[in-house]
Amino acid sequence: THLLEQSPQFLSIQEGENLTVYCNSSSVFSSLQWYRQEPGEGPVLLVTVVTGGEVKKLKRLTFQFGDARKDSSLHITAAQTGDTGLYLCAGAQGAQKLVFGQGTRLTINP
Amino acid sequence: GAVVSQHPSWVICKSGTSVKIECRSLDFQATTMFWYRQFPKQSLMLMATSNEGSKATYEQGVEKDKFLINHASLTLSTLTVTSAHPEDSSFYICSARLKADTQYFGPGTRLTVL
Repeated sequence: THLLEQSPQFLSIQEGENLTVYCNSSSVFSSLQWYRQEPGEGPVLLVTVVTGGEVKKLKRLTFQFGDARKDSSLHITAAQTGDTGLYLCAGAQGAQKLVFGQGTRLTINP
Repeated sequence: GAVVSQHPSWVICKSGTSVKIECRSLDFQATTMFWYRQFPKQSLMLMATSNEGSKATYEQGVEKDKFLINHASLTLSTLTVTSAHPEDSSFYICSARLKADTQYFGPGTRLTVL
């Protein structure tokens, strides 16, 4: 079992549609990061959320940190084929290691 | 900023040989680096935490004599896979911590053991 449960694990939608990826836990995190990873490459940091209830926007991507700092969501508006990739959430407990979710493999079809 | 490099990007070796992978923080100093392993279509699994000037901290189930970690400077950590076997074949990724809670990842090293 994962400390961070990501859902869905796989998602395939058409270009132009909206989608939301969820990251849930029973544990409290001091912060939560979202990464995107392409095949054969390392994860690239998209955002770090720190404050409960915080919302951050990155162009068509909206990230939200739950009020209790136990969950987070990533919403993509008007998905594009370039959004295809593996999305990973990772929670930090203190200043040490990150705990990763299972990942969401997103495919945007033209 | 916050660039992390890994070398080599891929390596093929014979069973029984040792392989060293380097992880460098190019534009910042990192007292702490992390080594992960990733199997196909799976998430990252933390192997160990590498601390500059001290011994690495290994996660449960990771053999410290098998995966040797050295963090000799504030910009370099190395992972040596000793006496590699086919089951060690994987994608190894390092990260460096720039500030509390935030890690920047290297591009990964694909190891194939024949």
